[in-house]
Amino acid sequence: QVQVVQSGAEVKKPGASVKVSCTASGYRFTGYHVHWVRQAPGQGLEWMGRNNPQNGGTDYAQKFQGRVTMTADTSNNTAYMELSRLRSDDTAVYYCARGDKYYWMDVWGQGTTVTVSS
Amino acid sequence: EFVLTQSPGTLSLSPGERATLSCRASPGVSSSYIAWYQQKPGQAPRLLISGASTRATGIPDRFTGSGAGTDFTLTISRLEPEDFALYYCQHAATFGGGTKVEIK
Repeated sequence: QVQVVQSGAEVKKPGASVKVSCTASGYRFTGYHVHWVRQAPGQGLEWMGRNNPQNGGTDYAQKFQGRVTMTADTSNNTAYMELSRLRSDDTAVYYCARGDKYYWMDVWGQGTTVTVSS
Repeated sequence: EFVLTQSPGTLSLSPGERATLSCRASPGVSSSYIAWYQQKPGQAPRLLISGASTRATGIPDRFTGSGAGTDFTLTISRLEPEDFALYYCQHAATFGGGTKVEIK
């Protein structure tokens, strides 16, 4: 069964960092990109970036450049997204998804709720 | 600046009716990068269509994607109760604002 499973909900203070994990199973991890998409409460989908587990290459949305780091550990088929200098408007559900070179995302995680509050 | 505009914002229809959702890209784009997703409350998005017109695995044939260049369309031929949801189009790193299909 092809799936990606994300880590649990996080509550962080402004200025802190959060690291969300995404563990893949049922397919060749290095054969696909891992994309990260977030959705603020009541809002639409926002693409944050992607990581290529095969070579470690990354591609970040300009909005998150300098604040986000996406990595992957092929020894345990897990991708990570770390977002630093958190602000209240980073409160959102963060999704990881399996994707291909055309950015289509066909397998999604269940989402990780990140709440930023003092 | 690249913009992906979905219309209408909300579509109010009855089960059994046909739904036509629009996604306009400015400037025009390659169809290869166009995808459509369905999202229900509290759930992750689900891929419906990739490459503008190819149904994803397990997607019923009442969902049809079409279009090229600047104008793309998702058509649901006969709405089933489970089709009332939010729909997003995507081009590469950009998502449209979404269309809500609600029960009339």
